[in-house]
Amino acid sequence: AQKITQTQPGMFVQEKEAVTLDCTYDTSDQSYGLFWYKQPSSGEMIFLIYQGSYDEQNATEGRYSLNFQKARKSANLVISASQLGDSAMYFCAMRATSGGSYIPTFGRGTSLIVHP
Amino acid sequence: EAGVTQFPSHSVIEKGQTVTLRCDPISGHDNLYWYRRVMGKEIKFLLHFVKESKQDESGMPNNRFLAERTGGTYSTLKVQPAELEDSGVYFCASSQDLRSYGYTFGSGTRLTVV
Repeated sequence: AQKITQTQPGMFVQEKEAVTLDCTYDTSDQSYGLFWYKQPSSGEMIFLIYQGSYDEQNATEGRYSLNFQKARKSANLVISASQLGDSAMYFCAMRATSGGSYIPTFGRGTSLIVHP
Repeated sequence: EAGVTQFPSHSVIEKGQTVTLRCDPISGHDNLYWYRRVMGKEIKFLLHFVKESKQDESGMPNNRFLAERTGGTYSTLKVQPAELEDSGVYFCASSQDLRSYGYTFGSGTRLTVV
């Protein structure tokens, strides 16, 4: 079974500062992928970034980077130079990539508020 | 390309009534997923279609929930009769390949049962 834990129900950050959203996971799968999604107030879920368990480098997509620490089973999302438009719910998710269940498992989400 | 479309965006119904949610996936996406999020909790998997077949419905809460996918195109999720604990946001997602990691989600249907 897979489990995603996001311990921060809410986070505040000042515009232009960096923020880290925590995500830890538990799985018995040897090969898996980790995702982050953003859900703004409009409701849609927007895919942000993906990290494979065997990827040697941390994933980066523009201002988003994933701090992947496999031994600690953590996959924290780092947003650099926060913008007001980054205010949203952020969900961490994972799924198996070889064997196991390909259905993503999600965490509870973290609400991020960026203030001026 | 058009995204995943869900409607209605909001629905308020009384306990005991029936509600049908609809999801139109991205054209050509064989895989369609339903998820639900109850406020403050995880986004929970409900079921997975591959074309018109239910591949995995292990997340369906009980037999008050019925999902269909007509001809492998759009899908409906019916709740009958609705209970208070069914309130939440119901998300639909689609993907072309089961192994895709870029699932495309709809904006969700916010269901409130009063």
